[in-house]
Amino acid sequence: SQTIHQWPATLVQPVGSPLSLECTVEGTSNPNLYWYRQAAGRGLQLLFYSVGIGQISSEVPQNLSASRPQDRQFILSSKKLLLSDSGFYLCAWNRENTIYFGEGSWLTVV
Amino acid sequence: KQEVTQIPAALSVPEGENLVLNCSFTDSAIYNLQWFRQDPGKGLTSLLLIQSSQREQTSGRLNASLDKSSGRSTLYIAASQPGDSATYLCAVKYSGGSNYKLTFGKGTLLTVNP
Repeated sequence: SQTIHQWPATLVQPVGSPLSLECTVEGTSNPNLYWYRQAAGRGLQLLFYSVGIGQISSEVPQNLSASRPQDRQFILSSKKLLLSDSGFYLCAWNRENTIYFGEGSWLTVV
Repeated sequence: KQEVTQIPAALSVPEGENLVLNCSFTDSAIYNLQWFRQDPGKGLTSLLLIQSSQREQTSGRLNASLDKSSGRSTLYIAASQPGDSATYLCAVKYSGGSNYKLTFGKGTLLTVNP
């Protein structure tokens, strides 16, 4: 069966510090991978998606970047966090008509 | 602009009541519509997926309908239970594009009181 792992689950980071959130998928190959963000009072917003290794598309301009160094690994990064980067980050993968979400990572920038 | 709106933002009902959650979308050219459940601080769990050619989907006490022409979907929950308390999110996959981009509503926070 397919599973998706995200870590860390929770983190508190000071403004200006770097960020790295990691997501890995098991039990499938060549998945489409996604990073979504859920900010307080707002719906989920697609940040990045990837259809293959090294292929990253950005949906919105922002302070974050994404990388896909391996087929089933998707990383969300920032060199310098802003207060507005706080939120709940969800990794997801899909095949055909089904999308699966990870458990999410809570980021609080202080 | 493709938007998804959910009404109400919050709903509180007594246990055993039947209830309806509403979702509306601005562009009828959808590929499919999906209802998710989100427990506090957790990821999303898919409840029901309706393809654009379908009118409704059922799973247990849940029934989701889709009316593309009016740009609306409803999630009907029968005989609600305290365990149904969660945020329910509606998401639309619009036609076209190579990725599985979902446009989400802001959700309805449901509280079922024992």
